[in-house]
Amino acid sequence: DIQITQSPSSLSASVGDRVTITCQASQDISKYLNWYQQKSGKAPKLLIYDASNLNTGVSSRFSGSGSGTDFSFTINNVQPEDIATYYCHQYNNRPPYTFGQGTKLEIK
Amino acid sequence: EVQMVESGGGLIQPGGSLRLSCAGSGFTVSGHYMSWVRQAPGKGLDWVSVIYGGGSTYYADSVRGRFTISRDTSKNTLYLQMNSLRVDDTAVYYCNYGDYGGRVYWGQGTLVTVSS
Repeated sequence: DIQITQSPSSLSASVGDRVTITCQASQDISKYLNWYQQKSGKAPKLLIYDASNLNTGVSSRFSGSGSGTDFSFTINNVQPEDIATYYCHQYNNRPPYTFGQGTKLEIK
Repeated sequence: EVQMVESGGGLIQPGGSLRLSCAGSGFTVSGHYMSWVRQAPGKGLDWVSVIYGGGSTYYADSVRGRFTISRDTSKNTLYLQMNSLRVDDTAVYYCNYGDYGGRVYWGQGTLVTVSS
C-alpha cells in the first residue's frame, strides 16, 4: 500500500502570509494527488485535482505542484476564511487510496 | 449540478448492521467511480471503499469482509452495507463521485455511532 506523509500537522499564519504544505508518497503516484479543504463540521471541498489543476470556482490564491513522490500546496495571501484543515489524497493505480494526516491552519 | 445526499446513519449496537444510501442527481452512479470515506470524531479522513463504473470494488483492510459497496442504477443510488459493526466504525460517512475529468464531488455526510 502507498503511504502518504503530510507536513506540517499544524501551522499558524498571519493574514497576507504565504504558506506551503507538503505531501510525500512512499512510491511514484504520477500526478494522482488531490488537495482538500475541510472546515469545521463540513464536508471536504476539492481545491486542487491531479496535483496542479485548480477546481472550478476556487480562489487562485490556492495552487498545487509536484509529481512522482513529492507534492506541495500553497496558499498565497492567507485570509481569515482559510481557517480549516487541509488534506492531500492519493488515488494512483490500485486502492487503497490514502489520505494525508491533515494540516490544521490557524490565523495568528 | 452534481449533488449527493447520504442517509441511513444512526445509533447501532456493536455487532449490528446498517445500510447507508447516497442518492445522486446530475450524474449517473455508474460513471467513472464512487467511493465512501469516513471520519471518526476529531480524526482525519479515512478511505473506505470504491466502486468503478465497470463494477470493480475495493475495500480498506479495516472493513474488508464486513462492508459491501453496491449501487442501483435504476434509483441512481450508492449503498454501503455495514455488518459486524465495531465501536471504532463510529464516524461520519461521506460518499463521493469522481468524474472522468478528475473532479470529485462530495455529499454532506451521515453519522454512524456504534455504541452499547
